[in-house]
Amino acid sequence: EPEVTQTPSHQVTQMGQEVILRCVPISNHLYFYWYRQILGQKVEFLVSFYNNEISEKSEIFDDQFSVERPDGSNFTLKIRSTKLEDSAMYFCASSERQGFYEQYFGPGTRLTVT
Amino acid sequence: AQKITQTQPGMFVQEKEAVTLDCTYDTSDQSYGLFWYKQPSSGEMIFLIYQGSYDEQNATEGRYSLNFQKARKSANLVISASQLGDSAMYFCAMRGRGNTGFQKLVFGTGTRLLVSP
Repeated sequence: EPEVTQTPSHQVTQMGQEVILRCVPISNHLYFYWYRQILGQKVEFLVSFYNNEISEKSEIFDDQFSVERPDGSNFTLKIRSTKLEDSAMYFCASSERQGFYEQYFGPGTRLTVT
Repeated sequence: AQKITQTQPGMFVQEKEAVTLDCTYDTSDQSYGLFWYKQPSSGEMIFLIYQGSYDEQNATEGRYSLNFQKARKSANLVISASQLGDSAMYFCAMRGRGNTGFQKLVFGTGTRLLVSP
């Protein structure tokens, strides 16, 4: 069964460093998302992406964050200068269509900023 | 804005019994979707079940059913015949209307379910 994959599964970085989190969405899906879950808290929407541009972003998604689909398969989230509070689990998700269709989540990347 | 409320931080159930996980929501949209996801200790988010606001029948998927009461704005998850592998965190979510349509999922705080032998 097709699935969303994410790499790496765990990344440790120092404050101020740039990180790139990678995702490979399900191949026929057109809508891509990033969510964040700080340890012990609820999952929060960061950004949605369609047709090679951001379609919506949350207040969390400030200028430190960017997303890109560099080729036909990868979808990346970049954090330019990490802060301690960026430590969280980052989930990539994709859906086939817009509207009330389930979003399939990847296994997540746990980012630890020291 | 959409809001999901899950008031049960933790629930305990014995194996083979049924359990109901509560979820209430708030939205001004007439059309919306409600989802339940399971998050095991390994961390991944697993889609379980979906209910559309205009669906007249409650959604079912195997041992999972969604008790949808639109007037009360509740969308409770019922797990029948609990299994040890059901022990996990369960999140209720709503497909909310963002600036450009029904895109983002809005999640509740989750309920941790523990199934005992």
